[in-house]
Formats: sequence, structure tokens, C-alpha cells
Amino acid sequence: NAGVMQNPRHLVRRRGQEARLRCSPVKGHSHVYWYRQLPEEGLKFMVYLQKENIIDESGMPKERFSAEFPKEGPSILRIQQVVRGDSAAYFCASSPTGQVTGELFFGEGSRLTVL
Amino acid sequence: TQLLEQSPQFLSIQEGENLTVYCNSSSVFSSLQWYRQEPGEGPVLLVTVVTGGEVKKLKRLTFQFGDARKDSSLHITAAQPGDTGLYLCAGENSGGSNYKLTFGKGTLLTVNP
Repeated sequence: NAGVMQNPRHLVRRRGQEARLRCSPVKGHSHVYWYRQLPEEGLKFMVYLQKENIIDESGMPKERFSAEFPKEGPSILRIQQVVRGDSAAYFCASSPTGQVTGELFFGEGSRLTVL
Repeated sequence: TQLLEQSPQFLSIQEGENLTVYCNSSSVFSSLQWYRQEPGEGPVLLVTVVTGGEVKKLKRLTFQFGDARKDSSLHITAAQPGDTGLYLCAGENSGGSNYKLTFGKGTLLTVNP
């Protein structure tokens, strides 16, 4: 999957706990995107980040969800006080520019299960 | 809201058969991408089509973008068990936020040996 590394691959949390999902983009890529795939649903855009900037978070729930892409280190998707409806596969993708035509590389995903 | 409808949702065929899956929308996209996703993995890009009417071939896979850039099809010739997977189409919005891909729900293909 072209070098996008996500961890953990699987995460189990109880309701009310916090989930932190990490994404290291392809080396040299400065544009990161998070998508969520609910069971039997298509992937849905959540947020687009560049280093130290949130460009578009229109697909992310207003409460409990946050994302960051610091100057150093991986991008983090944080979900506070998780609920069962947060159970899904969360995919990170990166691109070398803000253009996604033929340049979007996805990681293998982090699968969150909320008990 | 732009939507992409994929059909069929499920397809089970025997090795050696041909098949076509469809991706339709009422909206225009500036480009359309096809991905294949295997269980427990992330989507892997197969092809991007940009021009209306464009046809691209990738070995036994043939991709076509509709003239009006609202729909696309994927045709597989002589399917093999290795073609098994979830085929996703994704449209790149023609507006300013072209990084927001709109995904269909996918066609789950099973090729039986």
C-alpha cells in the first residue's frame, strides 16, 4: 500500500474510553486524509490535513473527534468517549500534493471495535 | 450531495467468465478512480479516468468513463480467483474541494475456481 503506515491495526475499546489512531504518510507526502468505512457503507471523507494545519474537517463529527498532523511525527485521529456507533475501519491516505487524481495512497486501516 | 451507486452489490461467478460492474451518478465528476480492496486491507488504486469517453486497459481489466463523466464501468475478461475482492469507484468532485473523494459502496466480487 505504497508506504502509508497505520497503527494500531485493530483496537478494542469500551464505551467511554478514548481511541487514538496513528498514521505515518508516505515519506515526502505532506497531505494526509482520513476516511471512515462503516460496515456495509462506502468510505466517507472525514478530514484533510497538512503539516500543522487542518484544511477541511467538514466530514468529521463536531464532538468527540479531533485530528492533528504535527510538524514532527504521525497524524493522529482521536476519538474521545467512544460509543458503539464509532466502530468502523478508519483509513488514512496521503498524497504528495493537494491533488488526489491518481496520487492518493491508502494505508491498511485501523479497525476500531467499541464494546 | 454527490452520490455514486455501484451495481451489482454482490457478484459470484466461475473462473473464466466475463463480468461488468457499474458505477453511476447524477453528478459530474472531474475524474473517477477505481480501487480494489481485499478483506482487512486498504483500498489499492487500479486506475484513474479523467476524460469523458476514456477507455483504459489494465491486463484483463477494461475501464470506461462515460461521455458525460457521470458514470463508469469495469469489465473483467476471463476472471480468475485472484480477482476476488471489493471493487470501489470514487469520484473526484468538480468543485473546489477535489480532495474529497465520493466513494460508492462497492461491488463484492467472488471468483470461484
